[in-house]
Amino acid sequence: SAVISQKPSRDICQRGTSLTIQCQVDSQVTMMFWYRQQPGQSLTLIATANQGSEATYESGFVIDKFPISRPNLTFSTLTVSNMSPEDSSIYLCSVKQQETQYFGPGTRLLVL
Amino acid sequence: GQNIDQPTEMTATEGAIVQINCTYQTSGFNGLFWYQQHAGEAPTFLSYNVLDGLEEKGRFSSFLSRSKGYSYLLLKELQMKDSASYLCAVGGNTGFQKLVFGTGTRLLVSP
Repeated sequence: SAVISQKPSRDICQRGTSLTIQCQVDSQVTMMFWYRQQPGQSLTLIATANQGSEATYESGFVIDKFPISRPNLTFSTLTVSNMSPEDSSIYLCSVKQQETQYFGPGTRLLVL
Repeated sequence: GQNIDQPTEMTATEGAIVQINCTYQTSGFNGLFWYQQHAGEAPTFLSYNVLDGLEEKGRFSSFLSRSKGYSYLLLKELQMKDSASYLCAVGGNTGFQKLVFGTGTRLLVSP
């Protein structure tokens, strides 16, 4: 399976600021995904990061709030913009390999 | 719509067998996945079923019935380290472009 790393692993941020999360994969993958896991909840897909085109966002998530970059087949970023305490969550990068999705270690975000 | 149901919590004893059920109603079906997630960690892939029947992998087995919209994860010879959340997820789109997750089942294994 692919080895996925994320930066930062955790951060504490002030409301109104933005944070960019990086996801790096050790092999080229076509599809990368960004999920959110709020405290005590399961995973919710934010968007699919497509290489060479705009990300595809799920219902309830918009590009202005969660801009995504996918400059190549091994890297993606997710920005959480104009943060509020409700954005406190774990943000997970995921890649598809063969028929399975694998997850990165996650970025734990606390917004004060 | 999309609906995936799992029990919220289960408890079991070390050495025992536990079955975690998952029922789903999704628009389209392209496989059912089970993930294990320890507290504070990312989900780890356990199993994938796309055809009806039982898939066995060591102490873990997963079963699928597509006609019933039903799956279960069977854990044998439970160990303390099996205490974790178990997430059922359905690949619901053509080409398997996204997973829809259930809320997860917290399993507590006691001595």
